[in-house]
Amino acid sequence: DTAVSQTPKYLVTQMGNDKSIKCEQNLGHDTMYWYKQDSKKFLKIMFSYNNKELIINETVPNRFSPKSPDKAHLNLHINSLELGDSAVYFCASSQGYGQETQYFGPGTRLLVL
Amino acid sequence: GENVEQHPSTLSVQEGDSAVIKCTYSDSASNYFPWYKQELGKRPQLIIDIRSNVGEKKDQRIAVTLNKTAKHFSLHITETQPEDSAVYFCASWGNTGFQKLVFGTGTRLLVSP
Repeated sequence: DTAVSQTPKYLVTQMGNDKSIKCEQNLGHDTMYWYKQDSKKFLKIMFSYNNKELIINETVPNRFSPKSPDKAHLNLHINSLELGDSAVYFCASSQGYGQETQYFGPGTRLLVL
Repeated sequence: GENVEQHPSTLSVQEGDSAVIKCTYSDSASNYFPWYKQELGKRPQLIIDIRSNVGEKKDQRIAVTLNKTAKHFSLHITETQPEDSAVYFCASWGNTGFQKLVFGTGTRLLVSP
């Protein structure tokens, strides 16, 4: 009965590779997000989706491409991985877009070698 | 856009003491201020939030205060326990430009028995 889930939990890969992270929420929420947490623990929004539509792309390189096949899923595909992409990526969801509690997934720890 | 500053970056207290974490924000239109707790290796989880029409909110040992004029808000934890040890993030829902949740830089709280 996990609310927000992500796969994989860990991802170790070589520079230049392409990888995907999947996120699913079973809360019936309309809005989903991707956040990046770097080694200093800074949490920064990358993308926001509301009803499968992109709301925010926070100056993220176009190597990052989110896809929302339906309201319960928001996947993140990363092309040509770079060392600086190493971080923890959190998916989150909220009932609507606005002043709503955001529920985070467990995170995906990406290490680019 | 919104900018959130958080202090201190680390805070060490003895069990039973109180802990206070302070944040300031820049967007005077911001109206929603959640606090998240992140234990080591875990996801951020909401512990309390406050909206701009309220000056103070309390939930057991946790309280949050908001001063809209000064654009700052604080988290107060009383009777701290070792299980309160974690990183705490304040956040602000900015309403100018792209609406999004902007996080502070985090406070690492260590409660010693």
